[in-house]
Amino acid sequence: AQRVTQPEKLLSVFKGAPVELKCNYSYSGSPELFWYVQYSRQRLQLLLRHISRESIKGFTADLNKGETSFHLKKPFAQEEDSAMYYCALSIGGGGNKLTFGTGTQLKVEL
Amino acid sequence: GAVVSQHPSWVICKSGTSVKIECRSLDFQATTMFWYRQFPKQSLMLMATSNEGSKATYEQGVEKDKFLINHASLTLSTLTVTSAHPEDSSFYICSAVILAGGSYNEQFFGPGTRLTVL
Repeated sequence: AQRVTQPEKLLSVFKGAPVELKCNYSYSGSPELFWYVQYSRQRLQLLLRHISRESIKGFTADLNKGETSFHLKKPFAQEEDSAMYYCALSIGGGGNKLTFGTGTQLKVEL
Repeated sequence: GAVVSQHPSWVICKSGTSVKIECRSLDFQATTMFWYRQFPKQSLMLMATSNEGSKATYEQGVEKDKFLINHASLTLSTLTVTSAHPEDSSFYICSAVILAGGSYNEQFFGPGTRLTVL
């Protein structure tokens, strides 16, 4: 069965500092990887997906099949980035069921 | 666009009663909806896949007779927690799928329903 691991429950950085939220997965096939974000008192929303290879709100994530990782990165953290971030895996696309990691709370301090 | 609503947003009930939670896609049709459960400070765990016009597919360990799912229309799926007990207290979240084609299909999430069973 597939599994998603986010080793950090909480990541605290200063404004302007680089951010890296770690995500590792286990699945023998070729999964699709996503990052979802949940801002305070808001619903879960898609941040980015690996197949799009795009940068959203300054965040990027590269799928490393050799290391089975999909770390989320941003060069300069902003206060508004403070949120809960979930890495998720799907087999067969974003419309299929998702397996979520345990999430990382990002706190950007001034 | 792509808004998913849930009703109610929170509910408190007595042990032994049944509670129905609605998930609606407001501005699109969704043949597939998912129901997740989230415990405090934990991740979302998929409970079941709800397909319009057919029986729901439940994940291993989820009691289908306890968590009844009905996807009666392309915009509405309901989750009924039957004979609720305190251990069923949780945050229940639904998502609805927009079909954009292949890998670009996307799930949109509802705001969640907080269930407290006394």
